[in-house]
Amino acid sequence: NAGVMQNPRHLVRRRGQEARLRCSPMKGHSHVYWYRQLPEEGLKFMVYLQKENIIDESGMPKERFSAEFPKEGPSILRIQQVVRGDSAAYFCASSRAGPPTSSYNEQFFGPGTRLTVL
Amino acid sequence: LAKTTQPISMDSYEGQEVNITCSHNNIATNDYITWYQQFPSQGPRFIIQGYKTKVTNEVASLFIPADRKSSTLSLPRVSLSDTAVYYCLVGVDSGAGSYQLTFGKGTKLSVIP
Repeated sequence: NAGVMQNPRHLVRRRGQEARLRCSPMKGHSHVYWYRQLPEEGLKFMVYLQKENIIDESGMPKERFSAEFPKEGPSILRIQQVVRGDSAAYFCASSRAGPPTSSYNEQFFGPGTRLTVL
Repeated sequence: LAKTTQPISMDSYEGQEVNITCSHNNIATNDYITWYQQFPSQGPRFIIQGYKTKVTNEVASLFIPADRKSSTLSLPRVSLSDTAVYYCLVGVDSGAGSYQLTFGKGTKLSVIP
């Protein structure tokens, strides 16, 4: 059973371009979470999705950022018109069930996508 | 604003027991407390999870007092390979019936030979 897959692992974009980050959850998991980690900082929750629905996007910046988790295919985190401050590691996690956290919905993390904005 | 608090860093010698505490005053009533370990350039990895009292697995113990406003991760006899950042994750009541997943800022553990 493959773990959470993220691609690309490294992404370089110039200011103003778009960045698309993909996350394939573990088999049997229908809950996906996106986190951002700035250099030398902790993880910050961005958004929580359950197939085709955004459940909680309280951590998402109001502009330029969007996320989706279609019925078929991976979850996508999209950043439009990237700026240097968007440079960070973006982690995706998946769980079998959703919050509140319990013994049934441990989050499994992917290896992350490191976005560098030039 | 609901938040969790952890020490920024800790040092320990090999073979010692390490205790890392996370405070989470606004933890949601039904929520578990989960701890993760993260090595550089990798995603966080699950260590242990609990709701109350004490939980033990093959790598760690988790102590949670009755009021659940804090939790302590205990690593017995640490080795150099335990050098990593440790995070607590809880869901907190952020007011008006809303719920927010919150990671602590992480504790950087350095194990010294």
